[in-house]
Amino acid sequence: EDKVVQSPLSLVVHEGDTVTLNCSYEVTNFRSLLWYKQEKKAPTFLFMLTSSGIEKKSGRLSSILDKKELFSILNITATQTGDSAVYLCAVDDQTGANNLFFGTGTRLTVIP
Amino acid sequence: EADIYQTPRYLVIGTGKKITLECSQTMGHDKMYWYQQDPGMELHLIHYSYGVNSTEKGDLSSESTVSRIRTEHFPLTLESARPSHTSQYLCASSELGADSYEQYFGPGTRLTVT
Repeated sequence: EDKVVQSPLSLVVHEGDTVTLNCSYEVTNFRSLLWYKQEKKAPTFLFMLTSSGIEKKSGRLSSILDKKELFSILNITATQTGDSAVYLCAVDDQTGANNLFFGTGTRLTVIP
Repeated sequence: EADIYQTPRYLVIGTGKKITLECSQTMGHDKMYWYQQDPGMELHLIHYSYGVNSTEKGDLSSESTVSRIRTEHFPLTLESARPSHTSQYLCASSELGADSYEQYFGPGTRLTVT
């Protein structure tokens, strides 16, 4: 059965800290891994990763995929209170319907 | 900016009532999805559609039904609501092409069945 596991489940840091969020997966036919940020309502897209070792970067956020070890990390540097959210990892299993399998998320709280 | 809408945003309803959660998108996306998410839990896919007149059940069994009569509209119906249906329901859409995996999410409907 396809599985996506995120760690830690929750994290509390101070503004300015750097955090690393982890996502490991087991899927039958991996196509891509996606990161989303979910605040109070809908998840918003951050990154899509398809190739190992290529870092995707957007401002203070970056992410990288390791297809051999089956995991991805999401880094946030110089955290701000606005980074507080649940960060969701999802994997696209190309078997069947191109649907996404989501992890439970990591709840990040950034305190001033 | 994604244009996908859900109504109502919040709904409190009694057991046994029939309800329809609305989802519309203006991006012309062929593929649409319904997810169910309990607090602190992962999103579970309950329904999806490849396009007009296409509906499929997702990974999580659900007593709800969906229809896709128009590309932009993907409503979800519960014929007889029960307290176990209390949850957040998220609608999403994406392009159908092989390279388009990004899903755009609506704001969600938080349903409480008393």
